[in-house]
Amino acid sequence: QKEVEQDPGPLSVPEGAIVSLNCTYSNSAFQYFMWYRQYSRKGPELLMYTYSSGNKEDGRFTAQVDKSSKYISLFIRDSQPSDSATYLCAMAKAAGNKLTFGGGTRVLVKP
Amino acid sequence: DGGITQSPKYLFRKEGQNVTLSCEQNLNHDAMYWYRQDPGQGLRLIYYSQIVNDFQKGDIAEGYSVSREKKESFPLTVTSAQKNPTAFYLCASSQTDPGNTIYFGEGSWLTVV
Repeated sequence: QKEVEQDPGPLSVPEGAIVSLNCTYSNSAFQYFMWYRQYSRKGPELLMYTYSSGNKEDGRFTAQVDKSSKYISLFIRDSQPSDSATYLCAMAKAAGNKLTFGGGTRVLVKP
Repeated sequence: DGGITQSPKYLFRKEGQNVTLSCEQNLNHDAMYWYRQDPGQGLRLIYYSQIVNDFQKGDIAEGYSVSREKKESFPLTVTSAQKNPTAFYLCASSQTDPGNTIYFGEGSWLTVV
């Protein structure tokens, strides 16, 4: 079993809909949680960064972490075609900065 | 502009040849990393370095080698011992404080024929 599980998709939504993404993990030592967006043939870019449990909002993006359930989520409101990309969750333990990634979810936002 | 520069963007090599991928950063980050990404897959850690002249193996280090002679540079050599070298290679860097975010370069596509 992988340490971090993420549905590969594709997840197809109409423009303006809410995109809901999630990852589950098995290692309770993870303390830092990140979401990256990756366009085709490009390097990942950091979207959201959260420490421990709780919610964080940045514009149209909301990240949630539930450590008791080992479950993290990313919500994208008012989705745009430009949001079409692969979204990767990543997490790290308290020290060392080694990231463990989920496999990524491909999202398609249709005009 | 500050950032991470990887070169070349695309590289073709014959089977059995070693190839070196370049990674340079001007972010003054202490830590640097190499990840491999296969189509439809997440990122897997090959090697990482938290300080000059020191580096550690990641999860899939076999068939790869690195050096860290300068803070700004972390080249990756894909050797002939790597059984399936065709992949997208990503270099990244960060500060070493716990939880500091990692930033990625644009990647290098290696195809072995």
